[in-house]
Amino acid sequence: EDQVTQSPEALRLQEGESSSLNCSYTVSGLRGLFWYRQDPGKGPEFLFTLYSAGEEKEKERLKATLTKKESFLHITAPKPEDSATYLCAVQDSWGKLQFGAGTQVVVTP
Amino acid sequence: DGGITQSPKYLFRKEGQNVTLSCEQNLNHDAMYWYRQDPGQGLRLIYYSQIVNDFQKGDIAEGYSVSREKKESFPLTVTSAQKNPTAFYLCASDGIDSPLHFGNGTRLTVT
Repeated sequence: EDQVTQSPEALRLQEGESSSLNCSYTVSGLRGLFWYRQDPGKGPEFLFTLYSAGEEKEKERLKATLTKKESFLHITAPKPEDSATYLCAVQDSWGKLQFGAGTQVVVTP
Repeated sequence: DGGITQSPKYLFRKEGQNVTLSCEQNLNHDAMYWYRQDPGQGLRLIYYSQIVNDFQKGDIAEGYSVSREKKESFPLTVTSAQKNPTAFYLCASDGIDSPLHFGNGTRLTVT
């Protein structure tokens, strides 16, 4: 059975303090790994898709990387507006999507 | 702007009543989905539809029903048979080479 585990559950950062979020997964044939950002009371907003180990994607202060067992979302020099819950999801070879529980990030000025 | 509209944003119902959540998309996506989000858990799939007049049960379909009469619309009914209906409900859609797009959710509270 596919499994997605995100860690830590919550992360509190000072503005400018870089850090990484982890998404560990087991899946029968990875079709894609997705990162989303979710603000309170809103739907998830798509950030990145990664397809194969070694792939990296960047957007502003966010960088996502992928290995055969996990993905990292690096937040470089975060700002308060980066505060959100970050969700990871994996899609298996059948097309089934499995979400992790998310990491709640709070960035304080 | 293309997107997914969910309504209402907040919904309150008494136990034993059925309630229908609306989802409309203008992204021209064929596939639509309903997810449920509870604190500390990943999104769980309730129902999905890949084409008009066809839909499939997801992982937690018991106590829910859907219809797909139009490409743009995928309403979800939470029936009185759903034992723990209070949750945040998210509608989503995707197309070929398009990642899953989400609406802004409906928060349902049943007392």
